[in-house]
Amino acid sequence: GENVEQHPSTLSVQEGDSAVIKCTYSDSASNYFPWYKQELGKRPQLIIDIRSNVGEKKDQRIAVTLNKTAKHFSLHITETQPEDSAVYFCAASRGYSTLTFGKGTMLLVSP
Amino acid sequence: GAVVSQHPSWVICKSGTSVKIECRSLDFQATTMFWYRQFPKQSLMLMATSNEGSKATYEQGVEKDKFLINHASLTLSTLTVTSAHPEDSSFYICSATPKGMGNQPQHFGDGTRLSIL
Repeated sequence: GENVEQHPSTLSVQEGDSAVIKCTYSDSASNYFPWYKQELGKRPQLIIDIRSNVGEKKDQRIAVTLNKTAKHFSLHITETQPEDSAVYFCAASRGYSTLTFGKGTMLLVSP
Repeated sequence: GAVVSQHPSWVICKSGTSVKIECRSLDFQATTMFWYRQFPKQSLMLMATSNEGSKATYEQGVEKDKFLINHASLTLSTLTVTSAHPEDSSFYICSATPKGMGNQPQHFGDGTRLSIL
């Protein structure tokens, strides 16, 4: 089955800095890679996703890059704000079926 | 659109009690619903996948006789934790994928925090 590794487990940045979270996956057939933001006690919220036929996708301050050959994808958040503080999960799947999640990254943005 | 409602949001009960959690797709029909469990400071772990009208597919290590899943309609799936014990205390989250709307990502419910005393 799929195995998703996520690093780092915790990330502390100053407000305005950029944050990068990296994930690797093992199943070369995986073709859908979403990123979720989860605040304490709440549901995971989809913040951006990318399919395997695209190398990069951007939505305002958030971007995701995908390297299919190396089987890794990354989340980039620019101009971080305190409200970006949360746990971020990457995931991988074949199509929109069963998601395999990474272990999560706790992002702390200090004012 | 694509709202998934989960009920109850919080349950506290005594050991040995059975607890039922409902997951409803409010504005769409769900081909498939997923049930996850999340322990504190850990990731979401898939417990089972359910399709309307058929038996759920459980992940390895998940006891199907303890975690009963019923997906009786295209808008409702239920998870019953039978004879719950303190180690079953966790955050349970469901998600659903819409039917007949093309490929769409999973939509998550708000989760149910289960505390067994």
